Formats: sequence, structure tokens, C-alpha cells
Amino acid sequence: AQSVTQLGSHVSVSEGALVLLRCNYSSSVPPYLFWYVQYPNQGLQLLLKYTSAATLVKGINGFEAEFKKSETSFHLTKPSAHMSDAAEYFCAVSESSGNEKLTFGTGTRLTIIP
Amino acid sequence: DTGVSQDPRHKITKRGQNVTFRCDPISEHNRLYWYRQTLGQGPEFLTYFQNEAQLEKSRLLSDRFSAERPKGSFSTLEIQRTEQGDSAMYLCASNFLVEETQYFGPGTRLLVL
Repeated sequence: AQSVTQLGSHVSVSEGALVLLRCNYSSSVPPYLFWYVQYPNQGLQLLLKYTSAATLVKGINGFEAEFKKSETSFHLTKPSAHMSDAAEYFCAVSESSGNEKLTFGTGTRLTIIP
Repeated sequence: DTGVSQDPRHKITKRGQNVTFRCDPISEHNRLYWYRQTLGQGPEFLTYFQNEAQLEKSRLLSDRFSAERPKGSFSTLEIQRTEQGDSAMYLCASNFLVEETQYFGPGTRLLVL
């Protein structure tokens, strides 16, 4: 069975500061990993995905994530936070080809302090 | 590419009533997924289709829930005899068979009074 743990349900950072959102996964097979962002009253938008190619993945809006197998982690980072980054962020895992059901974490709400 | 669309966006109903939601996937996407998201939680998988075939159903999908995709295009999710615990956001996603990324719609927010 696969699972995702997101440490910190709420994270606050100052505008211009580093953003770090943590995600640890559990999977019995090599995982496919995803970060999605959700703005209020909207669906989920893909930020980036890891599909067993490069371990450092770059996504949209300046976000990136690094797959670390030894730590079973896939943390999301952004060097400099912008006010528009305020949203809910979800880490998700899928087994096999990634073309199966996604298992999501409980989410991290990111607040940007002006 | 118009994206995944869902209708209605909001639904308020009384306990015991039946409701039906519709999802229109991105054109030519042959896989379609339904998820449920309750307040403060991540989305939870309900079921998915490949073309018109329903390939997997979660244990979350009780007998009161039924999903269809009759022509392999749009899908409907029906909840019979709604309960207050059914209040949630119902999300639909779609993708190609060989593509990893699932593209999500805006969701249908259900409130059962």
C-alpha cells in the first residue's frame, strides 16, 4: 500500500523567504510522485512530477522538488516566496506507471507574510 | 483544450435526496477519475474508468454511490439517499492511458443539510 505524509499542516513564510514544504512517502514499488496546488474553491493544478528520471524536478512558478530514495522524501522548495504562492499544497504518490489512482497527503496550507 | 469541466459547481440538498454530478474530461482522454475531498483533507480516490469500463472502486464508494461513463466520454456520479457525511468537494480528473499527469476539474461542492 502507498501513503504520503506531509509534515506541517500550516506553514508561514515571509515574502522573499525560502519555501520548504515536506513530503515523505511509502510505496512498495518505485513511486511516481506529484505536487499539486489548490487555490480556494478551485481544483488541483499540477506543480511538478517525478517519474523516475532526474531526481531534481523543476516545476511551474519557480518550484522544484528533489526525490531522495534513501530518505523516502520529495520535499517542495522555492527560493523566494511570492504573495501569489499562498495556497494549499498536496503531495501525492502513484504506483507503477503513475496512471493509476493517486494517494494524497493531508495538505499544507502556505501563508505568505508581507 | 478547454480543460476538465464539472457541473454543477455547487449543490445544496436535503438529507435523503438523490444528487447527480457530471464530469466532462479533456477531449480524447480515455481515463477518468473521481475523488472526494472533505474539509481540511487531501482528495481521496473513489473510482476510475478506462473508456466506458469502470476498473476500480474504492471501499469509500458505498452502495449509495454509483458512477457511469456510458460512451467513454462524460461521466456521472450519483449519490442516493444523501447523508450529512456526504458533504464534500467531488473532484474529477482525466488523462491519457499512457500519461502520468491527471488533470483536475474545478470540483462540485456538495452540502447536505
